[in-house]
Amino acid sequence: DIQMTQSPSSLSASVGDKVTLTCRASQGVSYYLAWFQQKPGKAPKTLIYGASTLRSGVPSRFSGRGSGTDFTLTISNLQPEDFAVYYCQQYHSYPQSFGQGTKVEI
Amino acid sequence: QVQLVQSGAEVKKPGSSVKVSCEASGGPLNKYTFNWVRQAPGQGLEWMGRMIPILSVANYAPRIQDRCTLTADTSTNTVYMELTNLKSDDTAVYYCLGLTEDLVPLDWGQGSLVTVSS
Repeated sequence: DIQMTQSPSSLSASVGDKVTLTCRASQGVSYYLAWFQQKPGKAPKTLIYGASTLRSGVPSRFSGRGSGTDFTLTISNLQPEDFAVYYCQQYHSYPQSFGQGTKVEI
Repeated sequence: QVQLVQSGAEVKKPGSSVKVSCEASGGPLNKYTFNWVRQAPGQGLEWMGRMIPILSVANYAPRIQDRCTLTADTSTNTVYMELTNLKSDDTAVYYCLGLTEDLVPLDWGQGSLVTVSS
């Protein structure tokens, strides 16, 4: 099974900052990597798929990079509504798997 | 786009079963595949399985594959997740996630809380 490891587990930032979240796979997953955002008490929301393709309607301050085993999610010009938990997920092989999440807080 | 509406919260006894539904709108069911994901209180996301309605095929996470069954009813555009022999650590919010045929994730259902308690 493929293990997904996210770092850091949490980070503190301010409005207007640029932050980069990292996701590492224990085996290569090509570009079959998605990023999700989850706010407290809400369902997750799809941000990025295919490692770097922004879901329609997602602000352009979100960007994803990487392939194989190492991936990043960058949020430029952090906005108040961006404070949330972010999860990566590999859908290259079964069982699919999520990282443990990175909490972005003030 | 696919809009997903899930069934309501349930309270179950240990050893019993639960069946959660996820009704899709925005196209015929066979246009999509569906992941089921759960989240225990205060924990992260756990992938449970994937259903391909057009093929009636499902893949499961090893941890729950002997207790979980994913099905689809194309006549009502609804997918189902049934979990049997419930244990207290099955207490979680259960989500369905719609994906395209090539596994691009789209929209999530609102979640269904299942509480297992004696």
